[in-house]
This record gives sequence, structure tokens and C-alpha cells, in this order.
Amino acid sequence: DAGITQSPRYKITETGRQVTLMCHQTWSHSYMFWYRQDLGHGLRLIYYSAAADITDKGEVPDGYVVSRSKTENFPLTLESATRSQTSVYFCASSGVAGAQETQYFGPGTRLLVL
Amino acid sequence: AQSVAQPEDQVNVAEGNPLTVKCTYSVSGNPYLFWYVQYPNRGLQFLLKYITGDNLVKGSYGFEAEFNKSQTSFHLKKPSALVSDSALYFCAVRDALSGGYNKLIFGAGTRLAVHP
Repeated sequence: DAGITQSPRYKITETGRQVTLMCHQTWSHSYMFWYRQDLGHGLRLIYYSAAADITDKGEVPDGYVVSRSKTENFPLTLESATRSQTSVYFCASSGVAGAQETQYFGPGTRLLVL
Repeated sequence: AQSVAQPEDQVNVAEGNPLTVKCTYSVSGNPYLFWYVQYPNRGLQFLLKYITGDNLVKGSYGFEAEFNKSQTSFHLKKPSALVSDSALYFCAVRDALSGGYNKLIFGAGTRLAVHP
């Protein structure tokens, strides 16, 4: 029972290439989130999702695309990677909506765009 | 605008001494506050949260946090620091405008260094 997993853990790519980061959770949580972590900025929300086929933009969505065909998966795609997208990416999930609900995070994917 | 501030980039503490990691927030309505810890090359781990009730919240690994509404603060504390507590700590507040979602607004993080 892994909880929430991300793959790959490390990725090196080149500018202009398409990259997909995977996120999988085993809790059947409704809500899922993608963040990026950069020095001095903490965590910034890229996209989030309330359920399968329901997604919405966060604070920094430009250059990213998400999909959610199944509740347990929430892949993040960089359509044409840029150097500014070098970052650590975290996926998170939480249960039924409520102010008390806690978000639980995956281990992260460290992405380097050359 | 809603925000979270962690005024210290780094906090240095000697092992065995009490530690405090500061957090202040700005949000409309009642705040829902969280603390997370991140160890090197790991994801964020949930430590504790304040939703309502007692202003002193106890969490994992001996940590606690004190909610102070008048000062809009939610400082993380531990009576006796361990070297293993050295990590990056994030304070977060629920985005009051997120409707049914439970979106969080994070501070920039505070690095805690506990010295033997």
C-alpha cells in the first residue's frame, strides 16, 4: 500500500521536448494537486482536480497540461519544456472536500531541462 | 490578498533546546492552518493542523503549534530539539476562496538546523 507515488523520480530532458510526470494514489481521494517547488517561492500550485475529468488551473499553469481520466491518476505534461520549468514537482491528494482535509504529498520528481 | 509569511529563512538551535519556527498569515474568515516538514529529497510530510478549538495543537514527532488569532500567527514549537529535526518546514493556510477545493497557500519555508 504505497499511498501516493510519482514517476519518474528524476528526469533530464532538453528544451522543446514533451515530458509527462506521473502521479498515482491508492486512497481513492477525490482531490489531487500538482505543485512546483523552487527556491524562495515555497510551493506553487500548477493545476488541481476535484474528480475524474474535472480539472482547473492554479497559480502557475502556463506551459503545463493535465488530465484525469481515472480517479487514481493525475499526470502532468510539459508540452514543450523550457529551462524555467526546471524544478521539483510534487503531487498531492486529499479526501472529500472540507476545510479540515489534509493534503498528502508524493515523494516528488526532480526535473532538469537543459 | 491571502498570504503566509515565514520570516526566517533559517533557524539554528542547539540539541536539547526549545525551538520555534514562526508563521504569520493573512486570510479572510476563519483560518485553517497546517504545518509540513520536508526532509532532503523527500516529499512533504504532514505534521499538524489547526481547524478550530484549542489554540495549542499537538502533532507528530513531539511538535506542537500555537494559534494566536490577534497576532495572526501559528508558530511551530518543540520543547527539546533533536538533530533529526533538521529539515525544511512549511506553514500553509487554506485558501478561503477555493470553494469546495481545499487549496493551500504555502509560505516560502524555514530551514531548521539543530546542532549537536
